[in-house]
Amino acid sequence: QITLKESGPTLVKPTQTLTLTCTFSGFSLSTSGVGVGWIRQPPGKALEWLALIYWDDDKRYSPSLNSRLTVTKGTSKNQVVLTMTNMDPVDTATYYCTHRSGGQWLDYFDYWGQGTLVTVSS
Amino acid sequence: SYELTQPPSVSVSPGQTASITCSGHKLGDKYASWYQQKPGQSPVLVIYQDTKRPSGIPERFSGSNSGNTATLTINGSQAMDEADYYCQAWDSSSVVFGGGTKLTVL
Repeated sequence: QITLKESGPTLVKPTQTLTLTCTFSGFSLSTSGVGVGWIRQPPGKALEWLALIYWDDDKRYSPSLNSRLTVTKGTSKNQVVLTMTNMDPVDTATYYCTHRSGGQWLDYFDYWGQGTLVTVSS
Repeated sequence: SYELTQPPSVSVSPGQTASITCSGHKLGDKYASWYQQKPGQSPVLVIYQDTKRPSGIPERFSGSNSGNTATLTINGSQAMDEADYYCQAWDSSSVVFGGGTKLTVL
């Protein structure tokens, strides 16, 4: 059974750096084809993909946010960490951690965490 | 950057067929996936690789993808299908989501 859970601050100030941790179980990020993705959703708005890290440590980022994002495997084998710098109120959103499946030129997200609402405000 | 366009809303009567479209340049050359999201819940994958259903997804959900348009079809729509639906594809090493479609069953 695959589960994922996001953790981190619920409130950050403008210009601060956000660090979110995804703790997962039921799969290994060392298994070929597996990845962990981050997706966010501002209140009342659409889903927005942020980043992906693959089993082989390859990483992909949203072109529009690339300069602000870093995704890494955590110190624990079942964790992935996302950092986003220079936070702004427009970054207020629910942030989801997801399990990626697929193949070449095919990414889809078959398991999702419950999401964590991050508010950016002074 | 690549864009996926969905109608903001679609309405369907119970028991009828709902079709939700997702348009993008040569989308038929890529793989499309679809997600269902109900209020206050995380999205759920309902279709992947254009036409495949994950286990546990009812057979009334189906998908197609050709030309510039992917379509999610719900045969015999039920009240429980009322939700937001998002399409998603992969392009140039990036994941792209559509803007979402609110399906109303009434």
